[in-house]
Amino acid sequence: DADVTQTPRNRITKTGKRIMLECSQTKGHDRMYWYRQDPGLGLRLIYYSFDVKDINKGEISDGYSVSRQAQAKFSLSLESAIPNQTALYFCATSAGTGGLSYEQYFGPGTRLTVT
Amino acid sequence: GEDVEQSLFLSVREGDSSVINCTYTDSSSTYLYWYKQEPGAGLQLLTYIFSNMDMKQDQRLTVLLNKKDKHLSLRIADTQTGDSAIYFCAEDAGFGNEKLTFGTGTRLTIIP
Repeated sequence: DADVTQTPRNRITKTGKRIMLECSQTKGHDRMYWYRQDPGLGLRLIYYSFDVKDINKGEISDGYSVSRQAQAKFSLSLESAIPNQTALYFCATSAGTGGLSYEQYFGPGTRLTVT
Repeated sequence: GEDVEQSLFLSVREGDSSVINCTYTDSSSTYLYWYKQEPGAGLQLLTYIFSNMDMKQDQRLTVLLNKKDKHLSLRIADTQTGDSAIYFCAEDAGFGNEKLTFGTGTRLTIIP
């Protein structure tokens, strides 16, 4: 079974709709991240959480919100989706406890299309 | 702020060496990384280098780090069709902060 799972894997939604992307992990990691990937722009960090009570904005947080429901779950919401939020979204985790704790483990991605 | 740059595309003949380059701006990084993204998948860590090293070799992979020029490269020897992917370099925020900044990614295409 995958260590980091994302649901849904694909979603098409209309402008103005609220949508939630979910991420679950079985690695026991404290740190979790949400990125979006756009062609030619690489991965950009939306939000990150270093533990359940710690939520931080990344470089492109406008239009997004997150919720860390438990150590294993980190969800990303688009309150009112717009077409330029069409992208591939990735969740990732890291241990943050020493050694190569910086390695991030990625989920398979959610392809979101906003029409 | 951090900025990490890569060229977007690279084509290499099967069996040749591939060299993927990256420039970064944050000199406080603890580690620098290369991640690989295969089609339809998330990113996976390929290799990394500690910031006080200048070279690391791991089987077909060689990582070179020039801290003075803030330049990182990944050489893949004897490139195979399975090496076709997007390669991302990344730097951490240093000082115990593992928030990563990724480059734009280089799409490596293998020519038979």
